[in-house]
Amino acid sequence: DIVMTQSPLSLPVTPGEPASISCRSSQSLLHSDGNNYLDWYLQKPGQSPQLLIYLASNRASGVPDRFSGSGSGTDFTLKISRVEAEDVGIYYCMQAQQTPFTFGPGTKVDIK
Amino acid sequence: EVQLVESGGGLVQPGGSLRLSCAASGFRLSDYWMHWVRQPPGKGLVWVSRINNDGSGTWYADSVKGRFTISRDNAKNTLYLQMNSLRAEDTALYYCARDADGPGGTSDYWGQGTLVTVSS
Repeated sequence: DIVMTQSPLSLPVTPGEPASISCRSSQSLLHSDGNNYLDWYLQKPGQSPQLLIYLASNRASGVPDRFSGSGSGTDFTLKISRVEAEDVGIYYCMQAQQTPFTFGPGTKVDIK
Repeated sequence: EVQLVESGGGLVQPGGSLRLSCAASGFRLSDYWMHWVRQPPGKGLVWVSRINNDGSGTWYADSVKGRFTISRDNAKNTLYLQMNSLRAEDTALYYCARDADGPGGTSDYWGQGTLVTVSS
């Protein structure tokens, strides 16, 4: 199985400031079709997960452009250009390349 | 509006069975592959199973293989998860999720979940 790791696991943020989360996979997620099969999800407190980024760098429908994803192969990053209070929650990366699909442990983002 | 509503969770004894349902609306279920993902209390997300459009293809996590069965009734717009030989470690909030209909296993819509508790 592909193992996903994230850092940091906890991220206190200041509204208006940028934030960044790293995700690494134990195997390359770069497929022969040129896509990196890496998703980012946000689970806000008391809610179900919501898709933020798919194929490493594509924002899902309705996701604000302050969220961006980058990376290739085994190293990926989610960036929030200016954190807003509504961005608190747990961020998960997930490899979507092969079953069993596997999630990272999550990064808890809260306001300082 | 896409909606996924899970039901069927509850308290069950170890070794028992439950069948979860996921009612889909706002889209044609037959057009999409579907997933079940679970979240143990206070812990992270764990993918459980996937099914293709017509139910002819299914995939499972090793931890549930041979005990859980994913199925669907497209005419009823409903996804199912039959869970047998339940164990304490199956205790979790179970989400159904719609596959994003692209390459890979991305899920673009999630239900609110149904809680399964396995305990004597």
